[in-house]
Amino acid sequence: DAKTTQPTSMDCAEGRAANLPCNHSTISGNEYVYWYRQIHSQGPQYIIHGLKNNETNEMASLIITEDRKSSTLILPHATLRDTAVYYCIVQSGGTSYGKLTFGQGTILTVHP
Amino acid sequence: GAVVSQHPSRVICKSGTSVKIECRSLDFQATTMFWYRQFPKQSLMLMATSNEGSKATYEQGVEKDKFLINHASLTLSTLTVTSAHPEDSSFYICSARGYTTGEIYNEQFFGPGTRLTVL
Repeated sequence: DAKTTQPTSMDCAEGRAANLPCNHSTISGNEYVYWYRQIHSQGPQYIIHGLKNNETNEMASLIITEDRKSSTLILPHATLRDTAVYYCIVQSGGTSYGKLTFGQGTILTVHP
Repeated sequence: GAVVSQHPSRVICKSGTSVKIECRSLDFQATTMFWYRQFPKQSLMLMATSNEGSKATYEQGVEKDKFLINHASLTLSTLTVTSAHPEDSSFYICSARGYTTGEIYNEQFFGPGTRLTVL
C-alpha cells in the first residue's frame, strides 16, 4: 500500500474550518484514501473515504486532487471535541484488502 | 455507523497468566476482524487479521502461539495473550468489517480498546 505523509500537528480555532492535508504521491489506481481519527485512549473512529471523487458526509468533506497524489480532510466547523489524532491511510483493494497501515497521523488541537 | 464492543475495557494481571479479550460486532456481521496493539505515544500496529471460520493471519514478528486469535462466529473474535509478561502491557484494539442487511461495509469499525497491564 502507498505511504502517506501528514503534518505532525495542527491548530485550529473553535468554529473555524480545519483543513488537514495528506500527501500520497505513490498511490495507485485501485487504492482508496481513508481517514480515521483517534481521541485519546479510545479506539479509532472512521470519518470518510474516497477513490477519486470528492466526498462529503455528516462529519467531514474529503477533497482529492485530480492526480490523486494528495487529499485534504475538511472539518467545516471544528469543536473542542474534534481534538484528536487524524490518520490518513491509503488502502489497497487487492490482496491486502482491509488491512490498514497507520502512520503517525496529525495531532489536531482545537482551541477556544 | 456500525458498533464494535470490547470486553474488558481494562485488565490487570500477574506475569505468567493468560488473558482473554473479547471483540463483538453488535449490529452487523463481521466477516473480517483485525487486532491491533498500541504502545504509549505510538501509532496502532496491526497484529493479525482473521476471517470468520478461518485461521488468523499474523503480521511479521507477532508470535501466533502467544497471541491466540479465535473468530468462530460472525459477531465474536477473541484474543488470548498467553503467559503474559510486563512487555505485553499495551492498549489492544479490535476492528471489524462486514455487512448488514442491504449494506456492505468497506470501512473498519473499531472497538473502544482494552488496556492490559501485566505486573
